[in-house]
Amino acid sequence: DIVMTQSPDSLAVSLGERATINCKSSQSVLYSSNNKNYLAWYQQKPGQPPKLLIYWASTRESGVPDRFSGSGSGTDFTLTISSLQAEDVAVYYCQQYYSTLSFTFGPGTKVDIK
Amino acid sequence: QVQLVQSGAEVKKPGASVKVSCKASGYTFTGYYMHWVRQAPGQGLEWMGWINPNSGGTNYAQKFQGRVTMTRDTSISTAYMELSRLRSDDTAVYYCARAPPVQVGFPFDYWGQGTLVTVSS
Repeated sequence: DIVMTQSPDSLAVSLGERATINCKSSQSVLYSSNNKNYLAWYQQKPGQPPKLLIYWASTRESGVPDRFSGSGSGTDFTLTISSLQAEDVAVYYCQQYYSTLSFTFGPGTKVDIK
Repeated sequence: QVQLVQSGAEVKKPGASVKVSCKASGYTFTGYYMHWVRQAPGQGLEWMGWINPNSGGTNYAQKFQGRVTMTRDTSISTAYMELSRLRSDDTAVYYCARAPPVQVGFPFDYWGQGTLVTVSS
């Protein structure tokens, strides 16, 4: 199985400041045939199911604010919240969907307000 | 609009089985795979497996093989996840989540509201 790791485990950022979350996969999730990274980011608020934010490592899902952006390729990826808002307090997960037999998630990163 | 509505909370004794349902609406049920993901209290997301509602084909995470069974009833657009030989560490919220066929390669765009399964003697 592809193992996903995230860093940091948690972070606290002042309102309006930038938050950066890193995700690393144990093997490349870049498909050479279409040059797409099979990496997604989800946001989960307490008591709610996860919400898809970003897919193909950098494509925002419809309706997701543009302060959320994804970057990276191969095995190293980043989710950036450019200007943290109060409603962004949540746990963020990365997920690989490169392997059709095992869709593994990272352990999550908790984002709070400083 | 797409909706996935799951069955209600369950309390089970160790060794028992639980069957959670996920009723889909707002899209063609057989056109998308259904995945199951669980989340233990205060923990992260754990993928359990998928079912192809069109063919009934399944794929389970190795950890759950032999204990999990995913089925579907296309006549009522409902997917099911049954977990047997329950243990206390199976206590978790269980989610269903939709995704295009795995060959397409796309993550989970809609999720059910979750079903809490509590395993306790």
